[in-house]
Amino acid sequence: ETGVTQTPRHLVMGMTNKKSLKCEQHLGHNAMYWYKQSAKKPLELMFVYSLEERVENNSVPSRFSPECPNSSHLFLHLHTLQPEDSALYLCASSQGQGNTIYFGEGSWLTVV
Amino acid sequence: DAKTTQPNSMESNEEEPVHLPCNHSTISGTDYIHWYRQLPSQGPEYVIHGLTSNVNNRMASLAIAEDRKSSTLILHRATLRDAAVYYCILRATSGTYKYIFGTGTRLKVLA
Repeated sequence: ETGVTQTPRHLVMGMTNKKSLKCEQHLGHNAMYWYKQSAKKPLELMFVYSLEERVENNSVPSRFSPECPNSSHLFLHLHTLQPEDSALYLCASSQGQGNTIYFGEGSWLTVV
Repeated sequence: DAKTTQPNSMESNEEEPVHLPCNHSTISGTDYIHWYRQLPSQGPEYVIHGLTSNVNNRMASLAIAEDRKSSTLILHRATLRDAAVYYCILRATSGTYKYIFGTGTRLKVLA
């Protein structure tokens, strides 16, 4: 299933590094999401974009900076992260509100 | 957002049916009931959804109580590949993009 593609699949970064996670959806959807999944915790919604406009921001620290240049692409820019930010970051997309949401396989992030 | 309650874990024998329960007593009239599952080291995948009537697809069946305060995901013949965390989620049809995931039910399938 290649509807939502995330790169890289694995990333190790130091606390002073700057890196980005990339997501691309091939489903023609108009909404894209970032979720964080820490070990043994539920998925946490971070950001939602609809038609390239941010519509949800769930009190995420500013060291996480999302970017949605078009409806098919979503980025999560990372800078000065902490070890507790190590997690699986999941991208998803949907067509509007209330419809089925499709996830990518995630990017495993380790902050050292 | 209306919340859901699921058992933390369940076990099933291979080739037997599995009934995964979900309680959602504060569901509103316009909330759809969605089920997703997350296989190890993967993102969640859609399983099934419904509003009032029971639903069937190639993966599973969804039985919804008449008062809609609970639902049950039915896997007709569990296989080892069905071992996953199953999430029951309420999805409003408009007004929000929030998909709130709980802790789900971890299904273990025994060979």
